[in-house]
Amino acid sequence: QQQVKQSPQSLIVQKGGISIINCAYENTAFDYFPWYQQFPGKGPALLIAIRPDVSEKKEGRFTISFNKSAKQFSLHIMDSQPGDSATYFCAASGDNFNKFYFGSGTKLNVKP
Amino acid sequence: GAVVSQHPSWVICKSGTSVKIECRSLDFQATTMFWYRQFPKQSLMLMATSNEGSKATYEQGVEKDKFLINHASLTLSTLTVTSAHPEDSSFYICSASLGQADTEAFFGQGTRLTVV
Repeated sequence: QQQVKQSPQSLIVQKGGISIINCAYENTAFDYFPWYQQFPGKGPALLIAIRPDVSEKKEGRFTISFNKSAKQFSLHIMDSQPGDSATYFCAASGDNFNKFYFGSGTKLNVKP
Repeated sequence: GAVVSQHPSWVICKSGTSVKIECRSLDFQATTMFWYRQFPKQSLMLMATSNEGSKATYEQGVEKDKFLINHASLTLSTLTVTSAHPEDSSFYICSASLGQADTEAFFGQGTRLTVV
């Protein structure tokens, strides 16, 4: 059973555009929601993370929006660049910190 | 950030043999490490939680006798794929953390296993 559902599976964005990736979860015990970026053949690297006590967190060009009542969260990449082309995973964890359940991933392609 | 290193980065083995993958936290002590498996173009699936000094906790559907995990020290966890078969070919990734709230989990660079 997929604990975290992610969409879209792939995304093509023009350079300078906004990339938006969405995730949803069911387990209300989850209380930590990170986003990871993964390049081919490499391990995931943390981009940004949020806890349910805030509705939005921004770090540079990356913003997480969190809707606790809807059990949804999304990643927004502003001014998308070709170097952002990678696979992005949302994840969630609960009382066992750092034991993550990952979404299915979104392959982002930013065209020059 | 902290560094987690996996070794080897890639390995090819014959069907029926065993392969050991190491995961080291280079600049911090990790009481807990996690092992994930990732098939091509798919997500990371948690396999097991590796606890220093005690038995690993396996996720449902993961064969503990096939995927042996040893966490002998605070900086090293090993995953041994026993009697490997072609269907075990995958990308194996470990992660480690300080085990506290609001702390980042650091991922290794992954190990590409190909069983021929």
